[in-house]
Amino acid sequence: AQKITQTQPGMFVQEKEAVTLDCTYDTSDPSYGLFWYKQPSSGEMIFLIYQGSYDQQNATEGRYSLNFQKARKSANLVISASQLGDSAMYFCAMRDGGFQKLVFGTGTRLLVSP
Amino acid sequence: KAGVTQTPRYLIKTRGQQVTLSCSPISGHRSVSWYQQTPGQGLQFLFEYFSETQRNKGNFPGRFSGRQFSNSRSEMNVSTLELGDSALYLCASSPAGTGSYNEQFFGPGTRLTVL
Repeated sequence: AQKITQTQPGMFVQEKEAVTLDCTYDTSDPSYGLFWYKQPSSGEMIFLIYQGSYDQQNATEGRYSLNFQKARKSANLVISASQLGDSAMYFCAMRDGGFQKLVFGTGTRLLVSP
Repeated sequence: KAGVTQTPRYLIKTRGQQVTLSCSPISGHRSVSWYQQTPGQGLQFLFEYFSETQRNKGNFPGRFSGRQFSNSRSEMNVSTLELGDSALYLCASSPAGTGSYNEQFFGPGTRLTVL
């Protein structure tokens, strides 16, 4: 069965510093996709970045990059130059096979301080 | 392009009532998935609809049902509400079929409170 593990309930970082949010996954399907979402207090899930299991390079989207280590089954999110607006919950999620169902981790609450 | 919309945004119901939530996907998207988010259980998949057919279903009781219309808009219904149904219900929209692996966009959610 698919599983996503986020071991950091909370993280603190100062503005302008980089931060890494951890995510490990488990699946027996060779074809899968990994997503990161940001959820501010308003509740909306904001898509940040995607990594496919067959992608050769790590995904990047602006200040977000995904450190994909397939052999270790990890997909850590790196946020460079943190901003106050980055304070939110961050969820790692996985889709496997050809379906659209996402399995989510428990999330990491990030707090960015001035 | 307009994003995913969900109505209503907030809802208060009492135990035993039923409720219907609506989701309009991004224009051109044919897959709609529903998720329940609670502090205790986190984010859990309810079901997915594609071309008016339920394609995948999570582990929820039969009180939770849904449907999709020909314009891809989807509704989910919860009958005989229980206190534990209080949650944020999120809808996600994807373009089409199983080929769009990297696109799943969420709406703002409907926050349901059951008293």
